[in-house]
Formats: sequence, structure tokens, C-alpha cells
Amino acid sequence: DGGITQSPKYLFRKEGQNVTLSCEQNLNHDAMYWYRQDPGQGLRLIYYSQIVNDFQKGDIAEGYSVSREKKESFPLTVTSAQKNPTAFYLCASSIAGYSGNTIYFGEGSWLTVV
Amino acid sequence: GQQLNQSPQSMFIQEGEDVSMNCTSSSIFNTWLWYKQDPGEGPVLLIALYKAGELTSNGRLTAQFGITRKDSFLNISASIPSDVGIYFCAGPDTDKLIFGTGTRLQVFP
Repeated sequence: DGGITQSPKYLFRKEGQNVTLSCEQNLNHDAMYWYRQDPGQGLRLIYYSQIVNDFQKGDIAEGYSVSREKKESFPLTVTSAQKNPTAFYLCASSIAGYSGNTIYFGEGSWLTVV
Repeated sequence: GQQLNQSPQSMFIQEGEDVSMNCTSSSIFNTWLWYKQDPGEGPVLLIALYKAGELTSNGRLTAQFGITRKDSFLNISASIPSDVGIYFCAGPDTDKLIFGTGTRLQVFP
């Protein structure tokens, strides 16, 4: 089936550790995105990528890093510099990054810092 | 950057009632999207609007692209328990989508 796969669904991290969230899509979409959602809140854009080997910061990029070495993959690393990383993380993709395209989401990953 | 404001923030209604929510922006949009998020899941696209004044339905859901191009409306008729969730509007900001703050809907039997 075509879609966006995020893993793991649940992740626990100790303070001071980096952790990487995986996002894979087989929709042949050029653009991919990472959003953060805090309980009861909306979606905030962390990073996005319109093509392979290129990405841009979103509204809350500090403490995060990404790579886009392959079209189908856009992993997100939550670094120890992220002061409050506990949240629900959503990966998404679209045909292209320009305005007007709908985007499709994965099922999300819950990250908890213990 | 652009901001999308949704209202109401939350709604508590009885099964069978109709629901109305809206989304406003600080600037003109040429596309409006409405998503629904079930608890613990990713948002799913409900309706896409591409033209000012456009009225589009998807089952019991109807959405409208405001004439001013700065707002959009979503209506749900005859609500059922599975309508529970968070409804987000979204619109393009250059090369990415921005999302509204969401309307949380709770339906009681």
C-alpha cells in the first residue's frame, strides 16, 4: 500500500540524548515535512524539504536536524539542544512544495523524555 | 508569517446536531484545506478548496472558500460519535502549508 510510514510509534529518551525519528514514503512525492504537535495544540513546522539534498528550516527548527539523502526518506533527529522535546511528531509529504498541493500525513511518533 | 485563527477552539455537542466552524487568515489565500485528526493519529484531508466562493461537500461535510479569500468555513450536519476529533484548516504560505490552531469537537450520545 502507498503511504507514509513513521517509526517508532512510541519512543522514550533520556535527557541529554539524541534520538532519530524515521519517516519513509512510497508515494513518489518530492516534498517532505516534519511537524510538531503539543497536547491540545496545533501543528508547528520544524523542517521541510522540496527536493533531495535540500531542506529549509520551519518555524521551530532549533534543537532539530534533518537529512534528505533519498527521495523517500526524511529522518528527523531531536538533539539534546532541544529543551522541551516531549511531543507528538508528524511527518508529511506532498507532490511538490509549492502552494496549492495537499499534503498527506503519517501516523505520528510520540516522543517522551524521561 | 501568516497566521490562521480557528474558532471556536472547542465544541461540545449532542449527537445529531449540526456543527459550524471557521478559519480566518491575516492575508489572502488561494487554497484552503480542511483536515481531521483522530486522537493519536495523523491528520487526514477532508476537503480542498481552490476558488473564492467555492462550496464543496464530502458526505455530511460542507466547506466554503470565503469571498474575501481570507476565510473558510466547515459545516458538519447531523453529527455522529465518530466525528470526534480535531479539525484543522490549512493554507499555503509560499512553498509550505501552515495550519490553524484547530477546533476540538466532542460529540455526546
